[in-house]
Amino acid sequence: EAQVTQNPRYLITVTGKKLTVTCSQNMNHEYMSWYRQDPGLGLRQIYYSMNVEVTDKGDVPEGYKVSRKEKRNFPLILESPSPNQTSLYFCASSLQGNTEAFFGQGTRLTVV
Amino acid sequence: GNSVTQMEGPVTLSEEAFLTINCTYTATGYPSLFWYVQYPGEGLQLLLKATKADDKGSNKGFEATYRKETTSFHLEKGSVQVSDSAVYFCALRGSRTTDSWGKLQFGSGTQVVVTP
Repeated sequence: EAQVTQNPRYLITVTGKKLTVTCSQNMNHEYMSWYRQDPGLGLRQIYYSMNVEVTDKGDVPEGYKVSRKEKRNFPLILESPSPNQTSLYFCASSLQGNTEAFFGQGTRLTVV
Repeated sequence: GNSVTQMEGPVTLSEEAFLTINCTYTATGYPSLFWYVQYPGEGLQLLLKATKADDKGSNKGFEATYRKETTSFHLEKGSVQVSDSAVYFCALRGSRTTDSWGKLQFGSGTQVVVTP
């Protein structure tokens, strides 16, 4: 089954403790991205990757890092999480930049 | 930069009522337009799309027409069901000739509640 898989689905952590949210897709898609969803703001892009080893900032990249060492994986790293990063995070992938995006189930992160 | 504006919710309807969710956009070039739906506790799913002016996207009884002259992509359904209760997001993807190529720009989402 074609899918985008994120882990974990739920995470509560403390300020400053590094964490990684994983994202994997099995569709051989080139384009992957991370979004955060906040009430009243819709989804905002954090980072995106057009292919292996090619990543770039989205609209709200501060406090996040990403890497794309393999085509299928696109982890989101929070080196020093802060409470304002409490949010619902979605990973998405698409065959290319202009084709349909498939979304993961989301990761609800709470930073206390 | 690109932006999407959609009507605020929640929109509460009775079953079999007509649904319209307004969406307007600002973009350079010729973006592609999308409606995504998010059911409770789930990720976003593509509902329909239109890639050029005057295209009509349709799926599951929902329709939206890409109107370049009014920069709009309003979502409509003639007879809603309780199972249509969800949050609906309008989004655009920049054209290949622009810096925003590939990025999905979302509206703030409209919650729809359909009661029996």
